[in-house]
Amino acid sequence: AQKITQTQPGMFVQEKEAVTLDCTYDTSDPSYGLFWYKQPSSGEMIFLIYQGSYDQQNATEGRYSLNFQKARKSANLVISASQLGDSAMYFCAMREWRGSYIPTFGRGTSLIVHP
Amino acid sequence: DTEVTQTPKHLVMGMTNKKSLKCEQHMGHRAMYWYKQKAKKPPELMFVYSYEKLSINESVPSRFSPECPNSSLLNLHLHALQPEDSALYLCASSPKGSYEQYFGPGTRLTVT
Repeated sequence: AQKITQTQPGMFVQEKEAVTLDCTYDTSDPSYGLFWYKQPSSGEMIFLIYQGSYDQQNATEGRYSLNFQKARKSANLVISASQLGDSAMYFCAMREWRGSYIPTFGRGTSLIVHP
Repeated sequence: DTEVTQTPKHLVMGMTNKKSLKCEQHMGHRAMYWYKQKAKKPPELMFVYSYEKLSINESVPSRFSPECPNSSLLNLHLHALQPEDSALYLCASSPKGSYEQYFGPGTRLTVT
């Protein structure tokens, strides 16, 4: 069975600073994929970034980068130059094939960006 | 059109009511999903449709009845709900064979 662990229920960061949100995972599959989603208070889940287990380089999308450490089974999200609009819940997820790709979500981390 | 729409945005219903949630996408995605999300919790998968056929039912109570009339539309029919069913209901879709899911804005349901 797959498992995603997010140990930080809440994080605070000053505007314009960088922040790292932690995610560890456990799986016996040699091929897997990890995601990060952002969920503002409005409710919509917004896809941020994806890392495949065989990808040689860490994924980056604008201000978001994924610090993928395969041996440690961690996939931390790094947000650079935080903005007030980054305040949201952040979910780490792992894909599971069940006829369609189904994400297994972690418990989430609430990020608050202070001005 | 690159979005998933959901209606209504908010719904308040009594325990004896029958209502439906609607989800629509015009991206040609052939997999569609219903999730239930309680406050401060991750989304919980309820149902998956693949090519308009129900492929996954996560042991959801029968008071929730999904329907996929065509490849663009997904409904969730609600009947005799309980107050604990109050939650955000999210719809998502994904292209064939893709890991990426596109989520709608959700319907906030309150059962009184």
